[in-house]
Order: sequence, then structure tokens, then C-alpha cells
Amino acid sequence: AQKITQTQPGMFVQEKEAVTLDCTYDTSDQSYGLFWYKQPSSGEMIFLIYQGSYDEQNATEGRYSLNFQKARKSANLVISASQLGDSAMYFCAMREGRDTGNQFYFGTGTSLTVIP
Amino acid sequence: DVKVTQSSRYLVKRTGEKVFLECVQDMDHENMFWYRQDPGLGLRLIYFSYDVKMKEKGDIPEGYSVSREKKERFSLILESASTNQTSMYLCASSLSGHFYEQYFGPGTRLTVT
Repeated sequence: AQKITQTQPGMFVQEKEAVTLDCTYDTSDQSYGLFWYKQPSSGEMIFLIYQGSYDEQNATEGRYSLNFQKARKSANLVISASQLGDSAMYFCAMREGRDTGNQFYFGTGTSLTVIP
Repeated sequence: DVKVTQSSRYLVKRTGEKVFLECVQDMDHENMFWYRQDPGLGLRLIYFSYDVKMKEKGDIPEGYSVSREKKERFSLILESASTNQTSMYLCASSLSGHFYEQYFGPGTRLTVT
């Protein structure tokens, strides 16, 4: 089974609108972390936001928020007031910390295009 | 300004060659990572190092080894390159305990012919 699933290969959003990028995860660990990265066309990965499995409040970083629904095993990224510079590939990822060591899993990504 | 640099942006090697990919970070980070990125597969972790000479296998370590002799440098080694190792290789680093906030290098696109 996939550890991280991003079902939207591509998304379009009008400038200044909000957009939600979906992410579901699969783990049996009690302690894990979920995070999102942005990869613009230049190629360099940029960390956006992190949510720990024990955090009760949804994480927010500026225009980014992570909608964490533990029971549904989802960690959707919400971008408010989209800007043209938000056009990029977005990756959801998870860290599991196990006795055998850490593991990191990334999804296949969602390509976001912001339309002027 | 934080910096992770990789020795080459593009590399072409022949099947069977030994290949070294070098990564250097100037942030005094404890953790360093090697990933490969393939279309439709996202990023997959190859190896992770949390200290000098310490390493952990990632999701796909087969066919690869790593070396970390100094804190700032993490090398990925393809002992005998094969065509299925043609990929984009990304190096990253992070502070100890801050696994999620990784700083990535620009990547090395490796082609094995």
C-alpha cells in the first residue's frame, strides 16, 4: 500500500482564490509527522509546513495551513489567496520514527497552476 | 543564506561504472539525506545520515552506498551503475530533530547509458 497518496495530478486555481491539495497517508505508528514541500520549475524543493501526529491544532504558516484529520488519515494543504508564484509542484510527505530507524515517504505530487 | 551544493547538475555515465555524487552543506546540520526523484513516483529516500559515519537505509538502498566522513559532506556511491539508476538525485540536510525542515540542493540529473 502507498504510504502517501496524492490523487490530484494537476490543479488549477484563479489568482486570489483559495485551493486545497489533497493528501492521505497510511501508517500504523502512533508518532509520525506530516509535511509539505513546494517544487517550483527551478527544481529546488522548499519546505512549507509541518504537522506532528500529536498536535491538536492545525498547523499554519502564513498563507499555508494544513488541514489535519487524524481519523481520516488526511493532511490536506490549503493555500489561501493564491498568487502566480504559487504555481509549482507540491509534495506531501510523512516521517515515521520506528525502532529500526527513521523513514521518510513522499507522495507523487500535485501540479498547481495559478491562473491570472 | 543556507546552502546545499551538489557536485554536478548533469552527469552521464556508462553502465558498470562506479559513480560518486557529492553533497556539501554549510549550515552545520547533523542530518543529511539522499533521494531520487522520478516522474510519477515522487521522491524516494535512498539513505539518511544523522551524524558523521552514521547512516540509515531508506526505502530504496539497493545498488547504492553512502559515505559521511565529515559533517558537511555526504556522498552517494553507485558501485556499478545501471540504466535503471538514471534519475534526478537530490541531497538535503536538516538540523538534528528537525527532520521535516530539510534544505535541498539543486539536484544532479544522472544518465546511465
